[in-house]
Amino acid sequence: DAGVTQSPTHLIKTRGQHVTLRCSPISGHKSVSWYQQVLGQGPQFIFQYYEKEERGRGNFPDRFSARQFPNYSSELNVNALLLGDSALYLCASSLRAANTGELFFGEGSRLTVL
Amino acid sequence: QKEVEQNSGPLSVPEGAIASLNCTYSDRGSQSFFWYRQYSGKSPELIMSIYSNGDKEDGRFTAQLNKASQYVSLLIRDSQPSDSATYLCAVNKGGGFKTIFGAGTRLFVKA
Repeated sequence: DAGVTQSPTHLIKTRGQHVTLRCSPISGHKSVSWYQQVLGQGPQFIFQYYEKEERGRGNFPDRFSARQFPNYSSELNVNALLLGDSALYLCASSLRAANTGELFFGEGSRLTVL
Repeated sequence: QKEVEQNSGPLSVPEGAIASLNCTYSDRGSQSFFWYRQYSGKSPELIMSIYSNGDKEDGRFTAQLNKASQYVSLLIRDSQPSDSATYLCAVNKGGGFKTIFGAGTRLFVKA
């Protein structure tokens, strides 16, 4: 069975641009979470979606937005990119909506902002 | 105060030894606790989950939880060089939708 898939795997953008990252969860998983991981730190929670609704939001500016589609895939959008947005963006799917940290991560999208 | 705190390490142990990794959390409402392993350049992988006080064993791994002390630990017995990775402690509050990760502890197992 396919795991969590993310695209693109690597991308380079310049300050002020916009980026869209995509994620397909494991088949049967209805919950998708997004995390940002900078070098040397643990993943920082950005969003969780379940059944197309936002269920949780981390401490990120409004430049970050996300959505979940009827097939449970998800997009993370970041507007007006800053140098500090350079990071590995991880998508994780889970079977349940709440009370779970049993997350299955994709390989991530590595974003470099120049 | 960080929500989940771990010693960043590196923790270095010889092959065959027991590696002990520790984590503390600040929210007493936390109910679910997890250990993830992350190899360099890879994404985190769940290796242990624990939900009640005490020990939980799975192969060479033992997770320990003490809610009164807000403390979680991971013991790796008979450590192997392939165990060299960053170990992330993660915590989820009951009814909550977000799982919070610590910064991770780097483990090196010397052959």
